[in-house]
Amino acid sequence: GAVVSQHPSRVICKSGTSVKIECRSLDFQATTMFWYRQFPKQSLMLMATSNEGSKATYEQGVEKDKFLINHASLTLSTLTVTSAHPEDSSFYICSARDWGAGGAYNEQFFGPGTRLTVL
Amino acid sequence: DAKTTQPPSMDCAEGRAANLPCNHSTISGNEYVYWYRQIHSQGPQYIIHGLKNNETNEMASLIITEDRKSSTLILPHATLRDTAVYYCMLGSSNTGKLIFGQGTTLQVKP
Repeated sequence: GAVVSQHPSRVICKSGTSVKIECRSLDFQATTMFWYRQFPKQSLMLMATSNEGSKATYEQGVEKDKFLINHASLTLSTLTVTSAHPEDSSFYICSARDWGAGGAYNEQFFGPGTRLTVL
Repeated sequence: DAKTTQPPSMDCAEGRAANLPCNHSTISGNEYVYWYRQIHSQGPQYIIHGLKNNETNEMASLIITEDRKSSTLILPHATLRDTAVYYCMLGSSNTGKLIFGQGTTLQVKP
C-alpha cells in the first residue's frame, strides 16, 4: 500500500511553545488528509479534514485557532499545536487519501503517529 | 459518534480463524464498511473494505450480510502478530471521513 510519513515521531516541548507536525504522502498525491488525536487507552478521535489549497474543516469541539492546519501541496499537510499545554500531550496521527482518477473511492493510509509530550 | 458496535475483546488460538463481528444497523446506501487494525503505538493499518459484496484479499475476508446491517472480518489463520485492536468503520464516499469507535482487542494466544 501507499506510504505516509510523519515528522517528528516524538517531540517534547515546554508549556506555552508551539509545535509543528508534518504529514507527507510519499508515493501518491493526497488531495485530502485527516488529522486524528489519540489519548492513552482510547480510540482515535478525528480532529479535522484538510483539503489541498483550501481551509481545513474542523470537527465539533476542536479549536481551530489552537490546532492550525495547512495543506499547501498535494503531498504535505502540517498541524501546528499553538501554545501547547500539558493537556495537549497525546498521540497525533495523520492519514492521507488519494481520490484517484474520476474520484474513485480509495482507502485512507495512516502515518506512524507523533507522540507529543508537553512539560 | 461511531456508527458501528463491536465486542470489546476476543481471544483466538494461533493458527485458527479469527471471526470479528461488527454491527452497523444504520448504514446508508453510499457508505462502505472499512476495517483497520492498530498495533500498539503505531498508526492504523488498512485491512479491507466493501460495499455490499463479500471481499477477500491477502490479509482477510469480509463478509457483509445481505441487508448490510452487519459484517464479519475473517482472519483465516491468525498468528501472534495479528494481536491488535481491530476497528470496523463506515466510510462515506462523499466526505471520506472515518469515525473510529472503540474497536475489538483481539488477543491471539499460542
